[in-house]
Amino acid sequence: GQQVMQIPQYQHVQEGEDFTTYCNSSTTLSNIQWYKQRPGGHPVFLIQLVKSGEVKKQKRLTFQFGEAKKNSSLHITATQTTDVGTYFCAGVGSNDYKLSFGAGTTVTVRA
Amino acid sequence: DVKVTQSSRYLVKRTGEKVFLECVQDMDHENMFWYRQDPGLGLRLIYFSYDVKMKEKGDIPEGYSVSREKKERFSLILESASTNQTSMYLCASSLSSHTTEAFFGQGTRLTVV
Repeated sequence: GQQVMQIPQYQHVQEGEDFTTYCNSSTTLSNIQWYKQRPGGHPVFLIQLVKSGEVKKQKRLTFQFGEAKKNSSLHITATQTTDVGTYFCAGVGSNDYKLSFGAGTTVTVRA
Repeated sequence: DVKVTQSSRYLVKRTGEKVFLECVQDMDHENMFWYRQDPGLGLRLIYFSYDVKMKEKGDIPEGYSVSREKKERFSLILESASTNQTSMYLCASSLSSHTTEAFFGQGTRLTVV
């Protein structure tokens, strides 16, 4: 079955630095979504990528969907303390409605 | 705003009990999902439903069942609770088909003793 893998599991970042988290699927996806979960909260939708090679930006966040629609990345520039939390990617398979999440990247920021 | 409501925020049950976790959404969404979240494992899909009375197994369905008699309500049932089912349970819904975002409830922290 479809598996979504995410690395790294933890990311400790100095405030102001950039970092990237990566997501890989064992199967081709119809779309990929990214969520953020603040400590003590529930996952909140950030963005969805549908097209092969698609790149979307939200302020300091850049999301990319791979050409083969099997991988994605989230790049954050100039990290701020408000970026603390766990970032999840989630993929929908090409032939089903199943929304499968990766294990998440938990981000901490050193001021 | 879409609202996904889970019936309990915290729940403590005894081993062997039958446990019902309820989830209601108010936006006429077709898809509903149940996940459990454990440290280091992310969100693992237990069951999902894309229509009333329809259900599909997720990645870890063993020990669970679900019910969707009405479009707005999706129930997760632990037939005989065990300590390894102690976890945070998250319900989510999405509008339809493949291409819409999921909205999550606040979660139910279940402890089985």
